[in-house]
Amino acid sequence: DAKTTQPNSMESNEEEPVHLPCNHSTISGTDYIHWYRQLPSQGPEYVIHGLTSNVNNRMASLAIAEDRKSSTLILHRATLRDAAVYYCILRGNSGAGSYQLTFGKGTKLSVIP
Amino acid sequence: GAGVSQSPSNKVTEKGKDVELRCDPISGHTALYWYRQSLGQGLEFLIYFQGNSAPDKSGLPSDRFSAERTGGSVSTLTIQRTQQEDSAVYLCASSSRQANYGYTFGSGTRLTVV
Repeated sequence: DAKTTQPNSMESNEEEPVHLPCNHSTISGTDYIHWYRQLPSQGPEYVIHGLTSNVNNRMASLAIAEDRKSSTLILHRATLRDAAVYYCILRGNSGAGSYQLTFGKGTKLSVIP
Repeated sequence: GAGVSQSPSNKVTEKGKDVELRCDPISGHTALYWYRQSLGQGLEFLIYFQGNSAPDKSGLPSDRFSAERTGGSVSTLTIQRTQQEDSAVYLCASSSRQANYGYTFGSGTRLTVV
């Protein structure tokens, strides 16, 4: 199974940009890169996903390296509400890899007021 | 409803008792998933339902665990003869089938076996 590697924790000051890295050197050509976050006492929340091109939505931006072996989730202005554990996940296009998602430990983001 | 609804939100049960956990997915979502999250751990896949296809039960940890999905909508996860190691947060999610759609998770059921 393709795996991802993320730092255990990161800190950011409120209202500053945050760049959360993820390495996925064994990614296959059909794997999508998904990001979720989990606030305390809640289920994970979908943030963004991409395949090859950079993606933007109302929550965040996703920058994908040209070789697709790494990606970065960008929060443009961190708020206290963004304090959560962020998971980078590879999701296959078909079969078990498309639904047996592997959530590792993720990156715990702390936002300092 | 607008989101995935799970009930109960909390359940404390005595060791050896059976429990049922319920999940109401988003209307129109054909795929439904159960995961569990033990304290301080990542999510562990349990079971996957897709439309009328046979479910993928490969993640169920023992034969004490079973799940049903009736009418392609509501799902129930049943744990028989609960053990202390079953204590965890049980999360349900639903999605449309394509890999380029994200899951919508419920808030989970926190199960404590005493």
